[in-house]
Amino acid sequence: DAGITQSPRYKITETGRQVTLMCHQTWSHSYMFWYRQDLGHGLRLIYYSAAADITDKGEVPDGYVVSRSKTENFPLTLESATRSQTSVYFCASTAGPSQYNEQFFGPGTRLTVL
Amino acid sequence: RKEVEQDPGPFNVPEGATVAFNCTYSNSASQSFFWYRQDCRKEPKLLMSVYSSGNEDGRFTAQLNRASQYISLLIRDSKLSDSATYLCVVNTPMEYGNKLVFGAGTILRVKS
Repeated sequence: DAGITQSPRYKITETGRQVTLMCHQTWSHSYMFWYRQDLGHGLRLIYYSAAADITDKGEVPDGYVVSRSKTENFPLTLESATRSQTSVYFCASTAGPSQYNEQFFGPGTRLTVL
Repeated sequence: RKEVEQDPGPFNVPEGATVAFNCTYSNSASQSFFWYRQDCRKEPKLLMSVYSSGNEDGRFTAQLNRASQYISLLIRDSKLSDSATYLCVVNTPMEYGNKLVFGAGTILRVKS
């Protein structure tokens, strides 16, 4: 199906484990983003990517790793999960760098770290 | 100080009421502005862009005051289906392209 998808939708893990959240889009958008949403903070940018093999840090990158070997995929890895990383994670994409381009969001992944 | 600030609400209003949300932003380099809507922790969806001259889309009116770094959203004739969280979003430049900075959101509850 066309659009932007995330998997898994729900994940429970334990502290210290590595977790990878997947994001896939079918529009061939060049820009992709990872956000986390916590109560009282709104969405905060973790990492973004301007194209395959081009990534950069956002506001809250510590403890996360990203890669972008293919345009359509942008996985987010928590190298050693901590309880503070319990959150809802949203992936988004947009066609280009224009400030007027709409960002389209995936359905989110609800992650709980015990 | 947060880069984008909103009154969290909740705003509890009856059907048919007019309600206004305000938002302030701190980065004067910000170039474009949006209101997104989010239902029950689902993904945010674009409600409308905010243009310098102000713009209207049906029951929704958005206004921007660059001098005061202030954005507003007015909803007329509220419907039950308008109940959601409204996110004020500001687009600012970064090294590769632009980033969206989100306010924490304003909760609207429309009651019959």
